[in-house]
Amino acid sequence: GAGVSQSPSNKVTEKGKDVELRCDPISGHTALYWYRQSLGQGLEFLIYFQGNSAPDKSGLPSDRFSAERTGGSVSTLTIQRTQQEDSAVYLCASSLGGGGRGGAYGYTFGSGTRLTVV
Amino acid sequence: GENVEQHPSTLSVQEGDSAVIKCTYSDSASNYFPWYKQELGKRPQLIIDIRSNVGEKKDQRIAVTLNKTAKHFSLHITETQPEDSAVYFCAASSMNRDDKIIFGKGTRLHILP
Repeated sequence: GAGVSQSPSNKVTEKGKDVELRCDPISGHTALYWYRQSLGQGLEFLIYFQGNSAPDKSGLPSDRFSAERTGGSVSTLTIQRTQQEDSAVYLCASSLGGGGRGGAYGYTFGSGTRLTVV
Repeated sequence: GENVEQHPSTLSVQEGDSAVIKCTYSDSASNYFPWYKQELGKRPQLIIDIRSNVGEKKDQRIAVTLNKTAKHFSLHITETQPEDSAVYFCAASSMNRDDKIIFGKGTRLHILP
């Protein structure tokens, strides 16, 4: 597509429920990244995909968080048993670069999913 | 791992004056330094970037400088305008880290009328 698409744009869920956040990157972008941004805060790295594999999961806050990417395209971030501290904007970004080939390019970010856990 | 420090956290400048945001990085292998602008409620957007083989890059009112020896880089905005008000993030990337970008904590820039 023309840009990075994320859905839903807003999600309100009850504490303890599972949620799935979706990211559709720019066509041809092999690298895909998930970040979390709490209100007024910076960008917290969660996980990175190169193709369908995830070489770096170091930012996932707990085992309640998982992500997958299929077909080298769409990625889904799943949060199980949501807690109030999970409330944040979840941003997805894609890039032509990645993989340690030294061809780093800037990311293109999606508009994010604003998750509110009540 | 890489650590990117950004200063100041908040900056207020009079419209028409210049603004400077400074960042340092810790990993000498970092070779790509992008800057992102995030307006309130919107996504971060890449505004300029610099690679380690150059010391300075300019795009209209925006310029970035890089000092590899000192491991610091800066964003300069001249003739500031109200639409420059936003949060700015510096970042660093290295092929040793799969080109993953590490962000600074951001600078909230206020342009005063």
